[in-house]
Amino acid sequence: NAGVTQTPKFQVLKTGQSMTLQCAQDMNHNSMYWYRQDPGMGLRLIYYSASEGTTDKGEVPNGYNVSRLNKREFSLRLESAAPSQTSVYFCASSELGTGGEKLFFGSGTQLSVL
Amino acid sequence: GQQLNQSPQSMFIQEGEDVSMNCTSSSIFNTWLWYKQDPGEGPVLLIALYKAGELTSNGRLTAQFGITRKDSFLNISASIPSDVGIYFCAGQLRTNAGKSTFGDGTTLTVKP
Repeated sequence: NAGVTQTPKFQVLKTGQSMTLQCAQDMNHNSMYWYRQDPGMGLRLIYYSASEGTTDKGEVPNGYNVSRLNKREFSLRLESAAPSQTSVYFCASSELGTGGEKLFFGSGTQLSVL
Repeated sequence: GQQLNQSPQSMFIQEGEDVSMNCTSSSIFNTWLWYKQDPGEGPVLLIALYKAGELTSNGRLTAQFGITRKDSFLNISASIPSDVGIYFCAGQLRTNAGKSTFGDGTTLTVKP
């Protein structure tokens, strides 16, 4: 079972460059999420998509855009990368369990912006 | 937004020891979840709790949903080297469409 697949695993960008992080899930989940993780901090929600065709801002959306291409795929785009966006990015999907949502995470993308 | 305080920030223990960590919030949650992150990987769900006072086990792990609904606890018994990693708590509110608020994590190191 692949679960949640993220590409690339590592990326180095120069300030001002753009790139797209790809994410796909094969669990037929409706909801998908993008988080960033910085040292000593928890996971902060960037954007989420409750279902195909919908996207909403999370806690730290500035500097990012997302596209829910279909039910399986949810991409995160940095239009003009900044050093403050150096982080580890995680994509997740969820099934709606009793009383809440259990998240399934990809293995992450380590992004460095120079 | 809601904030979760997770403690301790890090722990260094001997193999075989028991571990306790907790998470507190200034406001209530409807669901508490505990995740573990291995180095270089994404977090994996360990335990989910849905009712105040609920006590749930998963092997050597036991978690509790505090009766005030503002805290949760995770215990690991008889630690082993593969318990190493970062443990995150997360809280959810039904009114927030089930989206999770994460604590900053507890980094666990187990010395053989």
